[in-house]
Amino acid sequence: DARVTQTPRHKVTEMGQEVTMRCQPILGHNTVFWYRQTMMQGLELLAYFRNRAPLDDSGMPKDRFSAEMPDATLATLKIQPSEPRDSAVYFCASGLGRGRETQYFGPGTRLLVL
Amino acid sequence: RKEVEQDPGPFNVPEGATVAFNCTYSNSASQSFFWYRQDCRKEPKLLMSVYSSGNEDGRFTAQLNRASQYISLLIRDSKLSDSATYLCVVNPTASGYSTLTFGKGTMLLVSP
Repeated sequence: DARVTQTPRHKVTEMGQEVTMRCQPILGHNTVFWYRQTMMQGLELLAYFRNRAPLDDSGMPKDRFSAEMPDATLATLKIQPSEPRDSAVYFCASGLGRGRETQYFGPGTRLLVL
Repeated sequence: RKEVEQDPGPFNVPEGATVAFNCTYSNSASQSFFWYRQDCRKEPKLLMSVYSSGNEDGRFTAQLNRASQYISLLIRDSKLSDSATYLCVVNPTASGYSTLTFGKGTMLLVSP
């Protein structure tokens, strides 16, 4: 049963620290998405990649967030420096990138920045 | 106007009841529509796609009204296990790429 995996599942850190979240998409999926979910804003698209190339990261605060796909099996989302307002659940999703194709979500990383 | 709007609820219904959720979207060029389900502290999962002609999957029926730009989800014979948040999801582009815009969700609570 193929699944998207994310690590860590939970992260508590102090303001100013670097946070790195990792995602392994489903094998064969060529599109990877990073979302952030909060009670106030719901699910927001931060960035997405197609065939490892970044297609859109307009939803991401550029000064502190960065997203990369060093290879087809790993996507990373980094926050440096982290701030309390970054506290949220960060989901990675993967898919085949076609119009009606569903996205499969990972279990998420729950981030708390103190 | 928000891209995808939903009534946040919660909708409290007894087991066996029929419940319906609506969702409106702002981009008339939107091509694909979905309902996702999200359980508490879990990830969203696809419940069903929404087709122009309407479609049914067991107790669930989805409808699309392009003229009024709204999508509906009907759940018949509610079960306790249907308690979750239902996310209305729209692919706002015609490019074929699966960028999805999510509503904030409608919470459903089914009680015994």
